[in-house]
Amino acid sequence: GQQVMQIPQYQHVQEGEDFTTYCNSSTTLSNIQWYKQRPGGHPVFLIQLVKSGEVKKQKRLTFQFGEAKKNSSLHITATQTTDVGTYFCAARGQNFVFGPGTRLSVLP
Amino acid sequence: NAGVTQTPKFQVLKTGQSMTLQCAQDMNHEYMSWYRQDPGMGLRLIHYSVGAGITDQGEVPNGYNVSRSTTEDFPLRLLSAAPSQTSVYFCASSYGEGGGNTIYFGEGSWLTVV
Repeated sequence: GQQVMQIPQYQHVQEGEDFTTYCNSSTTLSNIQWYKQRPGGHPVFLIQLVKSGEVKKQKRLTFQFGEAKKNSSLHITATQTTDVGTYFCAARGQNFVFGPGTRLSVLP
Repeated sequence: NAGVTQTPKFQVLKTGQSMTLQCAQDMNHEYMSWYRQDPGMGLRLIHYSVGAGITDQGEVPNGYNVSRSTTEDFPLRLLSAAPSQTSVYFCASSYGEGGGNTIYFGEGSWLTVV
């Protein structure tokens, strides 16, 4: 069945450093979504990527969809303490599956 | 516009007890779903519904029942609680099936089974 992996599982950064999380699928995807969950909160939609090689930006966040539509990345430039949380990818292939998430902690 | 509302927020159950997690949305979404979240496991789909009167099983349906009598409501029933059902439960809704449609989550229900 379809599997979605995310790396790393955890990331600790100093405030101001960059951060990247990767999402990899075992199958070709129709689209991919990214969600952010703050500690103790619920997942909140960030963005959706549909096209091969697509790149979208939201302020300090850059999202990319791989050329083969089997992977995606989320890059945060100059992290801030407000970026703390778990970032999930959610991939539409044969099924719609959430990745296990990457937990980001930012040290002030 | 409250979005997705789920209750209770916290609940402690004894093994073997039954209970219902309530979920309601006011966005007229056809698609509703229940997820459970466990450390390191991400979000796993329990049951989902594509419209009133229609429900189907997700990835981890055992021990849970759902019904969808109205567009707005999608309760999740634990039939006989087990410690393995200790988890955080999220109700979610969207215009259509996940992937291609933004999913809106409730604030979560923290369930402990002792």
